[in-house]
Amino acid sequence: KAGVTQTPRYLIKTRGQQVTLSCSPISGHRSVSWYQQTPGQGLQFLFEYFSETQRNKGNFPGRFSGRQFSNSRSEMNVSTLELGDSALYLCASSRTSGGLSTDTQYFGPGTRLTVL
Amino acid sequence: QKEVEQNSGPLSVPEGAIASLNCTYSDRVSQSFFWYRQYSGKSPELIMSIYSNGDKEDGRFTAQLNKASQYVSLLIRDSQPSDSATYLCAVIIGSGNTGKLIFGQGTTLQVKP
Repeated sequence: KAGVTQTPRYLIKTRGQQVTLSCSPISGHRSVSWYQQTPGQGLQFLFEYFSETQRNKGNFPGRFSGRQFSNSRSEMNVSTLELGDSALYLCASSRTSGGLSTDTQYFGPGTRLTVL
Repeated sequence: QKEVEQNSGPLSVPEGAIASLNCTYSDRVSQSFFWYRQYSGKSPELIMSIYSNGDKEDGRFTAQLNKASQYVSLLIRDSQPSDSATYLCAVIIGSGNTGKLIFGQGTTLQVKP
């Protein structure tokens, strides 16, 4: 079974631009969660999507948004990029909603975003 | 107070020793606890999950949970240099539809040959 895939793997943008990251979950998984990882803040929860609905949201500004499609693939968008948005963005998939289940969350390889 | 707290380390142990990693959490009603391992430049991978008070063993790994003290730990017996990584404690904070997986900062473990 193929694992979680994320595209692109690396991205360089400048301040003020916007970016869209993509995540394809493991086949049969309906939940996709997004995380931001930085050396200073660690792994921080952005949001979770389940069956095309946002289930949970972390403490990030409205510039961070996401969506999920009917095939469970998810995209995350960051508008008006700031230098502090430079991070590794990870998505994780599980069969059921992360908040309700004990299902394992499987992580993708991440997208390394650099904002100049 | 952070929702999930870990000592960032680094924790350095000699090869063959027991490594003890600790984590505390703030939400008294949390029911699900996880330990992830993350090698440098890689994404986290689940190594242990625990849901009930007490110990849970899996090979060289033992997870311990004490809900009354809001404390979860991971013991690694016979530590190997290949265990050198960052270990992330994760807790589902909140319940039902509002629950979300929250990670601690991670503890860096160095196993010296």
